[in-house]
Amino acid sequence: ETGVTQSPTHLIKTRGQQVTLRCSSQSGHNTVSWYQQALGQGPQFIFQYYREEENGRGNFPPRFSGLQFPNYSSELNVNALELDDSALYLCASRRTASKSGANVLTFGAGSRLTVL
Amino acid sequence: GEDVEQSLFLSVREGDSSVINCTYTDSSSTYLYWYKQEPGAGLQLLTYIFSNMDMKQDQRLTVLLNKKDKHLSLRIADTQTGDSAIYFCAESMDNQGGKLIFGQGTELSVKP
Repeated sequence: ETGVTQSPTHLIKTRGQQVTLRCSSQSGHNTVSWYQQALGQGPQFIFQYYREEENGRGNFPPRFSGLQFPNYSSELNVNALELDDSALYLCASRRTASKSGANVLTFGAGSRLTVL
Repeated sequence: GEDVEQSLFLSVREGDSSVINCTYTDSSSTYLYWYKQEPGAGLQLLTYIFSNMDMKQDQRLTVLLNKKDKHLSLRIADTQTGDSAIYFCAESMDNQGGKLIFGQGTELSVKP
């Protein structure tokens, strides 16, 4: 098992810019979800992708968007960055998008975004 | 509504037991989870419990669930300095696919 890898590990952007964060899911995992973890807080669900389509979304505006590719890698895009977007962004993968059963996620180490 | 709450800090001596508590509000929670996060690392799943169970034991970890009071706890026996980390409880519901709702985390400090 290769685990979940994310890039870049750290980056700095200025307000108004756009950012793309990347994730490579664990081998055999066809579902990926993204979480935002602000400093001192628990992760907040952004959205989930299964078979290249979004199939669940948290309370985040449309300027947060994603892509999932046939090789199960994925991207999180954030447009028009705001200061409050500064956070650790976590990617997590699981084997199935079944709506029942335990949601056993494998998390990456995250991409820390700082918006100045 | 969806809300998961934890106390922020816990300090114990090496060798003692640690008990980390969590309360949640949504009675439709199907599974409850405990994750561990070490500095600079992602979240590591420690254990999870189905909502119709009241206890689960896995080596040094014991999870207790009181569904009536919506209270979840994680007991770590013989706590070691390597257990120092932030512990998150989380819940999921059958009708919400991949969404986990996390508490804000409890920072466990283990002193030698």
